[in-house]
Amino acid sequence: GDSVTQMEGPVTLSEEAFLTINCTYTATGYPSLFWYVQYPGEGLQLLLKATKADDKGSNKGFEATYRKETTSFHLEKGSVQVSDSAVYFCALIPIQAGSYQLTFGKGTKLSVIP
Amino acid sequence: NAGVTQTPKFRILKIGQSMTLQCAQDMNHNYMYWYRQDPGMGLKLIYYSVGAGITDKGEVPNGYNVSRSTTEDFPLRLELAAPSQTSVYFCASTAPGVEKLFFGSGTQLSVL
Repeated sequence: GDSVTQMEGPVTLSEEAFLTINCTYTATGYPSLFWYVQYPGEGLQLLLKATKADDKGSNKGFEATYRKETTSFHLEKGSVQVSDSAVYFCALIPIQAGSYQLTFGKGTKLSVIP
Repeated sequence: NAGVTQTPKFRILKIGQSMTLQCAQDMNHNYMYWYRQDPGMGLKLIYYSVGAGITDKGEVPNGYNVSRSTTEDFPLRLELAAPSQTSVYFCASTAPGVEKLFFGSGTQLSVL
């Protein structure tokens, strides 16, 4: 079945550091790929997405590129802020899915210290 | 626009008790979902619905039941609570072509 593997956390960075959270997937065909973010005490919200190979999703300074050849969708940000502290989830929806069932990775907790 | 509303936010149950977690959305979304989130395990799909009167099992349905009598509401029922059901429960919704889930703020449930 489909699966998502993302790097183990927690990750602790100093403010203005560069962030990479690795995500790789296993799926039939070419799924749509997503990064969701969960701030403390809240539900998940969509951060960015990409629906086909070589697409780059971007939002709030975060970027991720859909790499078909490496089945990856790594999340990056050039300069993190304290307000980026959250749990980040990589997820996919199979291309043929009719009910938009997301498959999530286990999540990576990011803490940014001043 | 309230989005997805879950109640209650917190609940403590004794083993064997039953309860219903409520979920309502005001966006006229066809698709609704229940996930549970356990520490370090990501989110697992419990049940989902593609429209009123239609529900189906997800990855971890045992110990739960759902119903979808209206487009707006998708309650999750725990009949005989067990400690293994201690978790944070999230309801979500979307519509065809949106490809983005809208999540509620969650219900933290402890079974002691």
